Amino acid sequence: EVQLVESGGGLVQPGGSLRLSCSVSTSSFNTHAVHWVRQAPGKGLEHVAYMSDIRGTTQYGDSVKGRFTISRDSSKNTVYLQMSSLRPGDTAVYYCVKDVVGSSGWYGDWYFNLWGRGTLVTVSS
Amino acid sequence: QSVLTQPPSVSGAPGQRVTISCIGSSSNIGAGYNVHWYHQLPGTAPKLLIYDNTNRPSGVPDRFSGSKSGTSASLAIAGLQAEDEADYYCQSYDNSLSASVFGGGTKLTVL
Repeated sequence: EVQLVESGGGLVQPGGSLRLSCSVSTSSFNTHAVHWVRQAPGKGLEHVAYMSDIRGTTQYGDSVKGRFTISRDSSKNTVYLQMSSLRPGDTAVYYCVKDVVGSSGWYGDWYFNLWGRGTLVTVSS
Repeated sequence: QSVLTQPPSVSGAPGQRVTISCIGSSSNIGAGYNVHWYHQLPGTAPKLLIYDNTNRPSGVPDRFSGSKSGTSASLAIAGLQAEDEADYYCQSYDNSLSASVFGGGTKLTVL
């Protein structure tokens, strides 16, 4: 059974950087797309970033474009989210999520069938 | 302001049936993208409840059902139980934004 475990969260000052890691326990890591979804305290869900399988296609939410970078290391079965120029509005629990392609097969038609427990990022001085 | 609009809250007594709406537009639900639903208990990660508009993952009771029509979708919960009290989110894709989008979430209270 595939499991996702996030790490790397913590307290960081505005303007600072942080790298989140998502360890994916599976023998077929290269076939899985992985997303980051965040949830600010008391708020709803927001899609932050996506990275496809070994082909490496990426996509970012408008609020993080140019500041966040998603990457993957197949030798470590790990997906990273490098966050820079952090703002107080980035404070949230960040979930690593695995997707399944929806029935249409269209790009973007995916749903999130497996979630990690999340890691809290707090941006504050 | 979320791209997909959900009511902030709904409530019902045990045994009753409630529905949660998810209203989108021609660039997401109306464009033909599937709608998926999640529920989230306090302090835990969201969990998939309905996928591809109407399908339940293994283990989800048939009290939960989904539907989609035009630019909107709905989640129905029949035979309400105390453990159904949670936050519920719809999710789809918006081809104008080129982004996955969530509804703002609906808090279900079982009276």
